[in-house]
Amino acid sequence: QKEVEQNSGPLSVPEGAIASLNCTYSDRGSQSFFWYRQYSGKSPELIMFIYSNGDKEDGRFTAQLNKASQYVSLLIRDSQPSDSATYLCAVNPLGFGNEKLTFGTGTRLTIIP
Amino acid sequence: DTAVSQTPKYLVTQMGNDKSIKCEQNLGHDTMYWYKQDSKKFLKIMFSYNNKELIINETVPNRFSPKSPDKAHLNLHINSLELGDSAVYFCASSAAGGKNEQFFGPGTRLTVL
Repeated sequence: QKEVEQNSGPLSVPEGAIASLNCTYSDRGSQSFFWYRQYSGKSPELIMFIYSNGDKEDGRFTAQLNKASQYVSLLIRDSQPSDSATYLCAVNPLGFGNEKLTFGTGTRLTIIP
Repeated sequence: DTAVSQTPKYLVTQMGNDKSIKCEQNLGHDTMYWYKQDSKKFLKIMFSYNNKELIINETVPNRFSPKSPDKAHLNLHINSLELGDSAVYFCASSAAGGKNEQFFGPGTRLTVL
């Protein structure tokens, strides 16, 4: 079983709709969870992080964490063509400070105008 | 500009050669990382340094040797390059302690022929 799993996609969403990206992780003791966005040919950039169960909202983005079920999701409201990118879920395993992030393979999102 | 920078951006070389990639950050961070992203976009940590000290070494062949001359620089030297080393290598940095985001450099695309 992979440590962090994501559906590789591609996920196609019409412009203006809600894009929903999901991620599951195997280490029950994981403490912190991150969503990175990576445009083609560019480096990953952090868009959201979440540590506590529940929802965290930042503009059009909402991260949701359920530690009991070991999943974390990212919702993008009012999707824009500029949101088309690969979204990487990353998890900070138990026992590590900020030093280690385990990444999923990413979900490729395409917003259709 | 404050950032994480890497040189070179592209590196094309023959099998068996030795090459180096340099990374510098001027964000005042204490922790620096090397990641490898393969052709399937899987991003995997290779090394992590905190204040010039190696803290993570993820089952990387010993042909790969990181060097941190000071906390703003982390270089990666690769001996006897193999075809499977072809990938994009990202340097990243973060502040020590807490749960801080990692800032990625622009990446170095290494192609081994």
